[in-house]
Amino acid sequence: DTAVSQTPKYLVTQMGNDKSIKCEQNLGHDTMYWYKQDSKKFLKIMFSYNNKELIINETVPNRFSPKSPDKAHLNLHINSLELGDSAVYFCASSQLGLAGLTDTQYFGPGTRLTVL
Amino acid sequence: AQKITQTQPGMFVQEKEAVTLDCTYDTSDPSYGLFWYKQPSSGEMIFLIYQGSYDQQNATEGRYSLNFQKARKSANLVISASQLGDSAMYFCAMREGRGGGYNKLIFGAGTRLAVHP
Repeated sequence: DTAVSQTPKYLVTQMGNDKSIKCEQNLGHDTMYWYKQDSKKFLKIMFSYNNKELIINETVPNRFSPKSPDKAHLNLHINSLELGDSAVYFCASSQLGLAGLTDTQYFGPGTRLTVL
Repeated sequence: AQKITQTQPGMFVQEKEAVTLDCTYDTSDPSYGLFWYKQPSSGEMIFLIYQGSYDQQNATEGRYSLNFQKARKSANLVISASQLGDSAMYFCAMREGRGGGYNKLIFGAGTRLAVHP
């Protein structure tokens, strides 16, 4: 009964490779996000999707391409991986409440990406 | 300018005592939300508590309470009766505006809390 799940949990790969991270939520939320947490633990948003539509694209290199096949899934594909892409990537989801103000984001377990 | 400031990189507290983790924020939007998340050493991000800018009362969730002082733009997290399992990184975050993916969650740098027996 996992709410937000990500696969894989760990990803070790060589520079220049292409890799994907998958995210699924079973909370019935209409909005999903990707965040990057760097080695100093700083968390920054990369993308948000609302009902499969890209809303936020936060100056991320175009080697990163999110894809949302449906409201419950948001995948992240990364081309030509670089050393600086090593980080923990978190998926999150939320639902805009009736009051329009809560919109709590629930996070997946994270994917630790290591680029060698 | 920093939107979310957590001035305590590290804190420690004795088991069973209360601890306050500081958070100040900066926004000119009248509508915003403030969140606290816990990240234990296992790495997941756990939502703890939420405070809306229009909420009249301070939020509480079990042993967690949020000391919301709107005029001072502070949203400190208070953990009462600390337990060893509270040892973790704590992040304060703010969402300006309407949400729904249209406004991002901005995180502070985090405070690492150690609970000593």
